[in-house]
This record gives sequence, structure tokens and C-alpha cells, in this order.
Amino acid sequence: EPEVTQTPSHQVTQMGQEVILRCVPISNHLYFYWYRQILGQKVEFLVSFYNNEISEKSEIFDDQFSVERPDGSNFTLKIRSTKLEDSAMYFCASRPEGVRATDTQYFGPGTRLTVL
Amino acid sequence: AQSVSQHNHHVILSEAASLELGCNYSYGGTVNLFWYVQYPGQHLQLLLKYFSGDPLVKGIKGFEAEFIKSKFSFNLRKPSVQWSDTAEYFCAVKTKAAGNKLTFGGGTRVLVKP
Repeated sequence: EPEVTQTPSHQVTQMGQEVILRCVPISNHLYFYWYRQILGQKVEFLVSFYNNEISEKSEIFDDQFSVERPDGSNFTLKIRSTKLEDSAMYFCASRPEGVRATDTQYFGPGTRLTVL
Repeated sequence: AQSVSQHNHHVILSEAASLELGCNYSYGGTVNLFWYVQYPGQHLQLLLKYFSGDPLVKGIKGFEAEFIKSKFSFNLRKPSVQWSDTAEYFCAVKTKAAGNKLTFGGGTRVLVKP
């Protein structure tokens, strides 16, 4: 069964550095998402992406964040200047476009980001 | 804004015991409801979902959930758990008003003792 993949599984960075988290969604999916989970807290929505543009974003997704689909397979989340509070598990998800019966988001394994 | 609450943060039980995890949401309109599971070291996997129709939904691995609209609840159940059900369970809701995103509950860690 096809799966969403994410790399790296763990990223350690210094405060102020830029990081890029990578995701490969399931190949025929058209909607892409990033969520994050700070340790001990809820999984929170960050952004959704469709047709090469952001379709929705949360208050968390400020100017420090950006997303891109640089080619036909990758979907990236960039944090320009990391802060300590960006330390979290970041999940990518994708879903196909179609009728409601397929309206399920499939999640990747996550990237644990640690900002020192 | 919609929200989801899961009543139990941690549940410990023995194999063969029955499991019920509570989930309540706050939203007055039409909802799509999901239960995801995250086994240790693995990614979030869909257990089951409700969109419409029969409020009793059966999912994978013997799990089921019942949507009770009047109680704004979508509780997850399994009649007899196994050690392999040790995981974290997340309830989530999606509404038209909130667009594409899922709103998650805080999760419930379930430990099944052999």
C-alpha cells in the first residue's frame, strides 16, 4: 500500500538556522498538509496546499514558514529562522481529490525537529 | 471554532479487557469524524471514519465507534484488547466551515499489559 514518506526522521538545528522538512505524498494525491505536535500537546494544523498554492493556513503559519512543491513528487516545509518553540514533531499528510468517500488524510511518519 | 476533547489521557488495562475511549467535539453543523492510531515509532494510521449513514462505524483491527449526534460524541470501542493495541489514539473532526483541516483531540495513550 502506498505511503507518505518524510525525511529526515530527526533534525537537530541551532536557533536561527533555516530548516527544510521534506515529504513525498502518495503519488495520485492532490491535497497536501503539514501538521505539528509539540511534545505533550495536540496535533495542530499548519497549512494545506492544493493546485500549487496554499489553500488554508493557521495562525501558527507565520512569515517564518513557507511550503513548496518544487517538483512533481516532493512537498517541503521551510522554517526560515528557527526558534526554540519550533521544536516539535512535524507531520505531512496527503489526500486524493474526489468524492467524500476518499476524504481521508494519510499521514507520514513525522520529522522530529529539535531546536537548540 | 470547532474543538475536540478526549477525556482520558492515559488508560492502562489488561489483555482481553474491553476498551472505550471518549471523544467529544464542539460544532453544531455537519461533521466528519475520524479515529487515528499511532503505534510506537510509527505514523498516524486511520482506524475508522464517519461521514454519514449508520452511526455505528466498524474499522480495522476490531475497533468500532458510535456517533451520537445529540451528545456530540464519537467514542471508540474494542470488546477485547490485545497487547498489540498499545498505542496512542487520536480523535479528529473535519467540518465544512473549517475547510480542509483536521482538528485533533489531545490523544489517549493506551497501555495493554500482557
